[in-house]
Amino acid sequence: AQKITQTQPGMFVQEKEAVTLDCTYDTSDQSYGLFWYKQPSSGEMIFLIYQGSYDEQNATEGRYSLNFQKARKSANLVISASQLGDSAMYFCAMREGRGTGNQFYFGTGTSLTVIP
Amino acid sequence: GAVVSQHPSWVICKSGTSVKIECRSLDFQATTMFWYRQFPKQSLMLMATSNEGSKATYEQGVEKDKFLINHASLTLSTLTVTSAHPEDSSFYICSARDMRVLAAAGGYEQYFGPGTRLTVT
Repeated sequence: AQKITQTQPGMFVQEKEAVTLDCTYDTSDQSYGLFWYKQPSSGEMIFLIYQGSYDEQNATEGRYSLNFQKARKSANLVISASQLGDSAMYFCAMREGRGTGNQFYFGTGTSLTVIP
Repeated sequence: GAVVSQHPSWVICKSGTSVKIECRSLDFQATTMFWYRQFPKQSLMLMATSNEGSKATYEQGVEKDKFLINHASLTLSTLTVTSAHPEDSSFYICSARDMRVLAAAGGYEQYFGPGTRLTVT
């Protein structure tokens, strides 16, 4: 089974509008972390936001917020007030508390295009 | 966050030659580094876990004789693609684990390098 599932291969959003990128995960661990990364065309993985499995509040970082629904095993990324520079690939990732070397599991990504 | 560098950032080589990619942790010691491969428009796939002073652990399906990993120091891991072929053309990204920083979900924080784009002609 896939550890991380991103069902939206591509998304479009109007500049200044909000957009939600979906992510569901699968783990039997009680302790895990969920991450969102942005990858522009340059290829660098840019960390955006982190949510721990024990965190009761949804994580927020500036224009980024994570809608964490533990029972549904979803960790959607919400970008508010989209900007042209937000156009990029977005990857949801998980790191389990146990496991070999605490490796990351990545989803297949969502390509976001912000329309002026 | 901590800085991880990769060298070169891009490389073109001829089929049949070998190419070495370096991953360095610039301001911390990393006993563990990870190598990922990303094909165009696809996700990152873990290739191997590189441990300082010991053999790398390869993921299923990754040829260890083709992708040689050497983690000779606490700040450097190298990935050598031997006898490269066009199908090895990909984006290779490393990450380094910072043992100084505990991650909330367990384990230690990891930081990604900027990636190396390999094209084999």
